[in-house]
Amino acid sequence: AQKITQTQPGMFVQEKEAVTLDCTYDTSDPSYGLFWYKQPSSGEMIFLIYQGSYDQQNATEGRYSLNFQKARKSANLVISASQLGDSAMYFCAMRDSGNTPLVFGKGTRLSVIA
Amino acid sequence: NAGVTQTPKFRILKIGQSMTLQCTQDMNHNYMYWYRQDPGMGLKLIYYSVGAGITDKGEVPNGYNVSRSTTEDFPLRLELAAPSQTSVYFCASSYGTGFTDTQYFGPGTRLTVL
Repeated sequence: AQKITQTQPGMFVQEKEAVTLDCTYDTSDPSYGLFWYKQPSSGEMIFLIYQGSYDQQNATEGRYSLNFQKARKSANLVISASQLGDSAMYFCAMRDSGNTPLVFGKGTRLSVIA
Repeated sequence: NAGVTQTPKFRILKIGQSMTLQCTQDMNHNYMYWYRQDPGMGLKLIYYSVGAGITDKGEVPNGYNVSRSTTEDFPLRLELAAPSQTSVYFCASSYGTGFTDTQYFGPGTRLTVL
C-alpha cells in the first residue's frame, strides 16, 4: 500500500532564505508519481510540482524544486528565496500505477518571517 | 475555463438533515474524486469515479453517496448529517489514471454539522 510521511508539522523560515520540506514515501510499485500541493489560508489546493519515478532529473518549477532521492524514498520540496506569500500548508502526495486517486501526507505548515 | 467548481462554499446543517455538495469540471476529465479534510489533517478520499456511471469507495465512504451521470458532474450526498461530518470537502478531477496525471482541485466546501 502507498504511504506518505511528512514529519515536520511546522517550519519557520526567514524571508529570502531557502527552506526544505521533508517527504518520505513507501510503495512497492516501481512506477509512481510524487506531487506537492500548497494550501494557503484561503483554503484552496494549488498544484506546485510533480516528479515521476523514472525521471532522471529533479523537477523544477520556478522557485520550487524537488530533491528526489529514490534509494531513500524521499521527495523533499525546496523553496528558494522564500516570500511572505509562501506561508501556507504544504502537502506531499503520491500515486502509483495501481491506484487511481492521490494519497496525501498530513502536511507541513510553513511560516515565512519578515 | 473555470476548472473545478464547487457549491456551496459554506453550509451549516443540523444533525439528521441531508444535503448535496455539487461539483462540476469543464476540463473534460474522465476521473473525479471527493476528499474530506479535517482540521489540521491531510486529505482523505471519500469516493471517486473513473467515468460516467462508475463510482468506487475510498478510505472513508460511510455516511456518503455519490453518482456520476455525466462527465462534468460528480455530486456528493450526505443523507443523515452527523457532527463527525464537519469538515472541508474538496472535489478534484484528472484526465487519466496514469501515475503522471495531476489532480486539480475545486475551492472546497466548508460544512458544519450542529
